[in-house]
Amino acid sequence: SQQGEEDPQALSIQEGENATMNCSYKTSINNLQWYRQNSGRGLVHLILIRSNEREKHSGRLRVTLDTSKKSSSLLITASRAADTASYFCATPPPGYSSASKIIFGSGTRLSIRP
Amino acid sequence: EAGVAQSPRYKIIEKRQSVAFWCNPISGHATLYWYQQILGQGPKLLIQFQNNGVVDDSQLPKDRFSAERLKGVDSTLKIQPAKLEDSAVYLCASRAYAGNTIYFGEGSWLTVV
Repeated sequence: SQQGEEDPQALSIQEGENATMNCSYKTSINNLQWYRQNSGRGLVHLILIRSNEREKHSGRLRVTLDTSKKSSSLLITASRAADTASYFCATPPPGYSSASKIIFGSGTRLSIRP
Repeated sequence: EAGVAQSPRYKIIEKRQSVAFWCNPISGHATLYWYQQILGQGPKLLIQFQNNGVVDDSQLPKDRFSAERLKGVDSTLKIQPAKLEDSAVYLCASRAYAGNTIYFGEGSWLTVV
């Protein structure tokens, strides 16, 4: 069963702009992860945020988590052509606390225009 | 460190034929996953192994799909007989026992015609 759902489904921005993607989920979680998938490739882990964290940074990535709203956002600053990819949020299934089992949303397809 | 290896990368078969995919996880990773990703969707977990034991196969269509990890290392996923709706990318992934990060292979693309 699907837990997280990304919004928007597709996003096209100019190179250098910031890109924001959102993920909403249905039941309480204790961690949430974001993955990137370049076209025709496997998924690459970007960042994990725990329920007791509100914000986390990794390079040009900033992830926030609002457990009261059951939502997370992924911000990519100063976007580059290489950021063109699909981005997925992933959460444990309902009733599961570990990060060892995750369910993916449908993803946001990000396109960076040169 | 070598990543998750999968083969073949691409396969085209006719419906009702069989196909097998192979996965070699990252060395030492106890947990191995097979995901199915249909075009435009997120990956869906088919089966999860811990060493050579099955942890979760609740979403594996067992009438046609089978998977094994006999020695707790490599794994194979088989589909027999294939249906048109099995056209997808089959992603293998692995995780270290105490780790949170799941590492994915490049996937095996299956087209059933």
